[in-house]
Amino acid sequence: GDSVTQKEGLVTLTEGLPVMLNCTYQTIYSNAFLFWYVHYLNESPRLLLKSSTDNKRTEHQGFHATLHKSSSSFHLQKSSAQLSDSALYYCALLSSGSWQLIFGSGTQLTVMP
Amino acid sequence: EAGVTQSPRYAVLQEGQAVSFWCDPISGHDTLYWYQQPRDQGPQLLVYFRDEAVIDNSQLPSDRFSAVRPKGTNSTLKIQSAKQGDTATYLCASSRTAYEQYFGPGTRLTVL
Repeated sequence: GDSVTQKEGLVTLTEGLPVMLNCTYQTIYSNAFLFWYVHYLNESPRLLLKSSTDNKRTEHQGFHATLHKSSSSFHLQKSSAQLSDSALYYCALLSSGSWQLIFGSGTQLTVMP
Repeated sequence: EAGVTQSPRYAVLQEGQAVSFWCDPISGHDTLYWYQQPRDQGPQLLVYFRDEAVIDNSQLPSDRFSAVRPKGTNSTLKIQSAKQGDTATYLCASSRTAYEQYFGPGTRLTVL
C-alpha cells in the first residue's frame, strides 16, 4: 500500500541555519500529491505546502519543496530557520488510488537561539 | 470563517468505559474525516464521510468504534469499551476537496 517515510524524528538546529526535512514516499499509482502539514503546540495541524507538477518548486511562508517523482521525494526546505519555526512537521501523500491522506510519522523541528 | 471544532479536548477513562467525541466541521465542507494519532506517530485515518454517507470505514475497529454524521454536518465518534491501546489523540478534519483538509484541535484520550 501507500506509505510515507520521514527518517528524522527530531531535528535540532540553530537559528539562521538552513532547514531540510526529508520525506520519501511509495505508491503504485501514477498520480501522487504530496503535502507538508505543520503542527504548532496547542494548535491544530495546518497545511503548509502542497506539491505541484513533477520537478516544480512550491513555496509558502519561506518554506519550499519540490516533488521529484524519479526519487519519490518531497523534502521541505528553508534557507534560514527562525525560532518560530519550532513545530512538528508531517509529510503526507494523497494518491489517486485511495484518495486518502497517508501521513508520515512526523519530524519535530526545534530551533535554538 | 470558523475552524473545525472538537470536544472534549481531553478525556481520561478506565478500561471498559465508553466515550464520545464530537466534531463540528467548517460550514460548507461536505467531507469529514476522523483520524487516530497515537503518541509519536502521524495521524491514521479511521473513517470518512461525504455528507451523511460513510465513504470508507475499513480502518475503524467496528467491534468497539462507531461514527455517525446523521445530517451531513456534525459528527460523533464513539468508543464503546475503551482499551489502553486506544490512548491517542483523535483528530477531526473537514474539506471541500481532497487536496486541502482543515484539522480541529483534537481530543487527547488517555485510557488507564
